Amino acid sequence: DSGVTQTPKHLITATGQRVTLRCSPRSGDLSVYWYQQSLDQGLQFLIQYYNGEERAKGNILERFSAQQFPDLHSELNLSSLELGDSALYFCASSHRTGADSGANVLTFGAGSRLTVL
Amino acid sequence: AQKITQTQPGMFVQEKEAVTLDCTYDTSDPSYGLFWYKQPSSGEMIFLIYQGSYDQQNATEGRYSLNFQKARKSANLVISASQLGDSAMYFCAMREEGRDDKIIFGKGTRLHILP
Repeated sequence: DSGVTQTPKHLITATGQRVTLRCSPRSGDLSVYWYQQSLDQGLQFLIQYYNGEERAKGNILERFSAQQFPDLHSELNLSSLELGDSALYFCASSHRTGADSGANVLTFGAGSRLTVL
Repeated sequence: AQKITQTQPGMFVQEKEAVTLDCTYDTSDPSYGLFWYKQPSSGEMIFLIYQGSYDQQNATEGRYSLNFQKARKSANLVISASQLGDSAMYFCAMREEGRDDKIIFGKGTRLHILP
């Protein structure tokens, strides 16, 4: 157990629907990152939050949004789902951010596998 | 813009042999960090090793070492005495320090260890 909790583990839904993926970071970690991994693809960076504020943004679609709450858990909202959104969505957390990051090793959750039919 | 390139989509290596997984990167930032992660077939992402751009020595962690050649912008992962359990997908990643906190990953190399 990495200490990063993602729910749900698996989700099957239909095109056009909306889903919410949830992530609880490791205790003490303030940063949360979201990544998308499509079949046989690398990890595409979506977005990162630090202590409730957005810090970095990748190629996140406008249909996707995220937030980090005061208790530091984060949610990734995916709407108007398309077949191509089927992927493994990872959340990762780290303790530091900014110029003080140093190694800033990411600890990953087990992922949420989304299947859009 | 940041870029990570892993040119080997797949590799087959005999058990107990050493293996080198290639990674090149592109950045204009003088301060950055390089990471390697392992993803077994079970899907989880496992941190292996980290190298900071100002580190004088190559990083080592057990059977893993990072062959860091700054001038060539390469950060190859070397696994010594490979084991069957090393069969997995391996990702190289980079973070430019002092800017936004984006950490980008390469497309990965799938390593198969043969008995």
